[in-house]
Amino acid sequence: DSGVTQTPKHLITATGQRVTLRCSPRSGDLSVYWYQQSLDQGLQFLIQYYNGEERAKGNILERFSAQQFPDLHSELNLSSLELGDSALYFCASSSSSGFGETQYFGPGTRLLVL
Amino acid sequence: GENVEQHPSTLSVQEGDSAVIKCTYSDSASNYFPWYKQELGKRPQLIIDIRSNVGEKKDQRIAVTLNKTAKHFSLHITETQPEDSAVYFCAASKGSSNTGKLIFGQGTTLQVKP
Repeated sequence: DSGVTQTPKHLITATGQRVTLRCSPRSGDLSVYWYQQSLDQGLQFLIQYYNGEERAKGNILERFSAQQFPDLHSELNLSSLELGDSALYFCASSSSSGFGETQYFGPGTRLLVL
Repeated sequence: GENVEQHPSTLSVQEGDSAVIKCTYSDSASNYFPWYKQELGKRPQLIIDIRSNVGEKKDQRIAVTLNKTAKHFSLHITETQPEDSAVYFCAASKGSSNTGKLIFGQGTTLQVKP
């Protein structure tokens, strides 16, 4: 157990809908990273928050947004869902924002868009 | 842009043999290189990492080598065991105090046959 929690574990929804994925980092970690894992794309970095502020952005679609709250948990919002958004979504946390910090992954949320 | 190439995509070895997975990266500013192991349906777990100020690091049966000139790093697993069977991902992170975002390779599925 990495200490990072994610809810829900599974999510099934329809195209055009909106969902929210939740992540709680390890105690004391200030950074939260979101990654998308699909069969043909591997693990893709989406976005990073550090202590409540956006720190880095990857190839995140405009339909996706995220935020980190004062208690450091983070939410990833996916809207206008398409079939291609079906994937495993992982969050990871680290103690600071810089490189070289071990990132601990949560168990992931498996999203299926029908 | 930032890119990490990983080879081979699949690798099958006999128990007790060695396994080698290779990665190349495009951004010469990268200086942190972790390796993650992901078992089926589970989260990626860090197994070893290396920073650019060292050329090799070993932890029991696992070793990683780094050639910064060639922008190439490799994972070596000796005396493989069936429980080593998993998907292995290499990653690279750019030297920046602002973000530790990881750029992942496409993954290598390792099968260790008893």
